[in-house]
Amino acid sequence: DIQLTQSPPFLSASVGDRVHIACRASQGISIYLDWYQQKPGKDPKLLIHDASTLQSGVPSRFSGSGSGTEFTLTISSLQPEDFATYYCQQFNSYPITFGQGTRLEIK
Amino acid sequence: QVQLQQWGAGLLKPSETLSLTCAVHGASFSDYHWTWIRQSPGKGLEWIGEIIQSGTTNYNPSLESRLTISVDTSRNQFSLKLGSVTAADTAVYYCARRYSYGYDNWFDPWSQGTLVTVSS
Repeated sequence: DIQLTQSPPFLSASVGDRVHIACRASQGISIYLDWYQQKPGKDPKLLIHDASTLQSGVPSRFSGSGSGTEFTLTISSLQPEDFATYYCQQFNSYPITFGQGTRLEIK
Repeated sequence: QVQLQQWGAGLLKPSETLSLTCAVHGASFSDYHWTWIRQSPGKGLEWIGEIIQSGTTNYNPSLESRLTISVDTSRNQFSLKLGSVTAADTAVYYCARRYSYGYDNWFDPWSQGTLVTVSS
């Protein structure tokens, strides 16, 4: 199985900050990587697909980059509604796997 | 607007069979992979498996021996059965649509989720 390791697992930041969340794959996955946002009690919401394509309707302050084994989700200027848990997920090979999540909290 | 609505028993005893069904509203059943995912505090998000319209399935090897995913295209529904459950199967279970074309792969939308608790 391909393992996805997210860092950091917890992130404390303030409104207006620029933040980066990393996702490292245990083997190369090209750009078969998505990012999701999940708020408590809700289902995950798609933010970014194929590593860097912004899903329709998602604010442009979210961006994704990377390929191979190293990927990054960037939020350029944190808004109050962005405090949530973020997950990366790979589709390169079965079984499909997720990272363990990064919880973004208000400082 | 595509919506997924799921239902099934929320409380099971060890060794029983978990059974959930997901109805697809507002979308064609063809051209997508219909997926089950679960989320538990200890293991985070875990992909369970998927099915396409033809009935072809892909399962997570960690669950495959206990797992059956089936489809009823006449009703636009797909179902999950997981046998011999234990407390480790306690989780929120989601159904989701997976779009897959070249590099474009994503899960959207997801259902509201069902909490399934296994307890004696």
